[in-house]
Amino acid sequence: AQKITQTQPGMFVQEKEAVTLDCTYDTSDPSYGLFWYKQPSSGEMIFLIYQGSYDQQNATEGRYSLNFQKARKSANLVISASQLGDSAMYFCAMRSNNAGNMLTFGGGTRLMVKP
Amino acid sequence: DAGVIQSPRHEVTEMGQEVTLRCKPISGHNSLFWYRQTMMRGLELLIYFNNNVPIDDSGMPEDRFSAKMPNASFSTLKIQPSEPRDSAVYFCASNPSRRADYGYTFGSGTRLTVV
Repeated sequence: AQKITQTQPGMFVQEKEAVTLDCTYDTSDPSYGLFWYKQPSSGEMIFLIYQGSYDQQNATEGRYSLNFQKARKSANLVISASQLGDSAMYFCAMRSNNAGNMLTFGGGTRLMVKP
Repeated sequence: DAGVIQSPRHEVTEMGQEVTLRCKPISGHNSLFWYRQTMMRGLELLIYFNNNVPIDDSGMPEDRFSAKMPNASFSTLKIQPSEPRDSAVYFCASNPSRRADYGYTFGSGTRLTVV
């Protein structure tokens, strides 16, 4: 079975500062993928970034980067230069070969950006 | 690309009534997923189709829930009879299953309220 844990129910960050959202995972499958999604107050789920278990480098997408520490089974999302529009729920998710094509989601972290 | 299209966006129904939620995946995506989101339980996978065939329905809460995918461009999730505890946001998502690095694309969701 695979499991995703997000230990921060809520976080504040000052506008223009960087913030790290934590995610740890558990799987026995050596091949897996890690995803981050953003859910603003409007409710839609927006795909942000992907990290494969065999990727040698940390994934980056604009202001988003993923701090992937495989031995520690962590895949933290780093948002640089926070903007007010970054206020949202953020979900970490995992897909592994053993679990087919199914994404398992963590409980989410609510990020609030202060002006 | 119109994205994943769900209807209706909002549904309010009385306990005991039948509810049908609809989803049109992105053309060419051969995997389709139904998720339910509640405050208490977060995002739960209900059922997963690949090439129109149900692969895993272990997340379907009980016999009152059923899902079909009669063709590659349409799926329904039916609740009969509905109960107040079914109130949630129901998401449909799709992805091309051969792309391990491809995040799901989610629809806008259907907010169901059973009174």
